Amino acid sequence: QSVLTQPPSASGTPGQRVTISCSGSSSNIGSNTVNWYHQLPGTAPELLIYSNNQRPSGVPDRFSGSKSGTSASLAISGLQSEDEADYYCATWDDSLKGWVFGGGTKVTVL
Amino acid sequence: EVQLVESGGGLVQPGGSLRLSCTASGFTFKNHWMHWVRQAPGKGLVWVSSINGDGSSTSYADFVKGRFTISTDNAKNTVYLQMNSLRVEDTAVYYCARGGYYRFDAFDIWGQGTMVTVSS
Repeated sequence: QSVLTQPPSASGTPGQRVTISCSGSSSNIGSNTVNWYHQLPGTAPELLIYSNNQRPSGVPDRFSGSKSGTSASLAISGLQSEDEADYYCATWDDSLKGWVFGGGTKVTVL
Repeated sequence: EVQLVESGGGLVQPGGSLRLSCTASGFTFKNHWMHWVRQAPGKGLVWVSSINGDGSSTSYADFVKGRFTISTDNAKNTVYLQMNSLRVEDTAVYYCARGGYYRFDAFDIWGQGTMVTVSS
């Protein structure tokens, strides 16, 4: 059972917008910034969004992040076949004094 | 090129030990927090341990406290994870990841991972 809660799956057709939620508590998302990682099949994770809504160099602006209270979300607009991957949210937890990840959301492009 | 390369994984019996290494290149190692994250087969990412650039501050997930030790050798640009008293449930791919100068910075570079299998 992950500290951060994500839906196990999400899907959309090419060009659609998909949103992934990440729910936490006051000791994690409520107090700290959220990062998002994606993991293509058989590869290592990669940073997608940091500090709630910042994109590292090279990440397309189709990806956007937001945070409100104890929840965060990742939006993928203009969905493409290469976006099929697992997506994880993560943040620091002040109570656990450690990093916590969501359980991951598998995005499928129909 | 900024790169992290893990090594040291393998098959070990329950109760055994293993030391993982993560060698960094392309950046000033001592200016970054370094982390270990694991992923059991078919499961999600789980944080294991972190260490700051000069090795003076460490943190561990509860499930590895007292069994795993993280350390660094700045002369070799390498971070280690000494794993003792291994359990079957420690079976996973172990990833090394680079953090920022501050503890709460995101993990911006990841290694390719090294597989640890604990089985009799």
